[in-house]
Amino acid sequence: ILNVEQSPQSLHVQEGDSTNFTCSFPSSNFYALHWYRWETAKSPEALFVMTLNGDEKKKGRISATLNTKEGYSYLYIKGSQPEDSATYLCASHRGGAQKLVFGQGTRLTINP
Amino acid sequence: SAVISQKPSRDICQRGTSLTIQCQVDSQVTMMFWYRQQPGQSLTLIATANQGSEATYESGFVIDKFPISRPNLTFSTLTVSNMSPEDSSIYLCSVEDWGAGGAYEQYFGPGTRLTVT
Repeated sequence: ILNVEQSPQSLHVQEGDSTNFTCSFPSSNFYALHWYRWETAKSPEALFVMTLNGDEKKKGRISATLNTKEGYSYLYIKGSQPEDSATYLCASHRGGAQKLVFGQGTRLTINP
Repeated sequence: SAVISQKPSRDICQRGTSLTIQCQVDSQVTMMFWYRQQPGQSLTLIATANQGSEATYESGFVIDKFPISRPNLTFSTLTVSNMSPEDSSIYLCSVEDWGAGGAYEQYFGPGTRLTVT
């Protein structure tokens, strides 16, 4: 059974501050790690898909790193803005197949 | 990336009734997936729907409770049968496509928020 864990479950950050949160996953038989941003009443939006150990990806103020040997990924948000408020989901492929297993998400609230 | 729509966006249903959720994709896709997220829980895969064959259900989900149709390459339905309050969840459909990142990526619909009273 593949368990994907995210921490913290919720986070309140002051506007302008930077923040980060964690996704951990079993490192064996790793295929890919996905990050999504999910705003209420909208579709989960794909942020990153990462496949290689040491991968680092960036999209504007958001970046992510990947360590497949120890089974974790960090998502960083620099200079948080109110529009960053959302639930951030990570998901890993189970056994190399196309079935994603999701963590519970980190619910981020940016306080103006 | 695929554009996916779902109907209804939300519903409040009485226990014992059934609700059918529709998922429409703007391009032809082989595999469609149905997920649900119960309050405070992870997104959990219910089943994979391939056009022209029976859906494949994950452990803990059965066809009698969650019948799925996949009549063509752009459309699928999920029915939540004989509902109970435990079925209150957000239900999402998704499709996969090979992405620029060198792996399969999944794209999601906006979800159907179901409340069972």
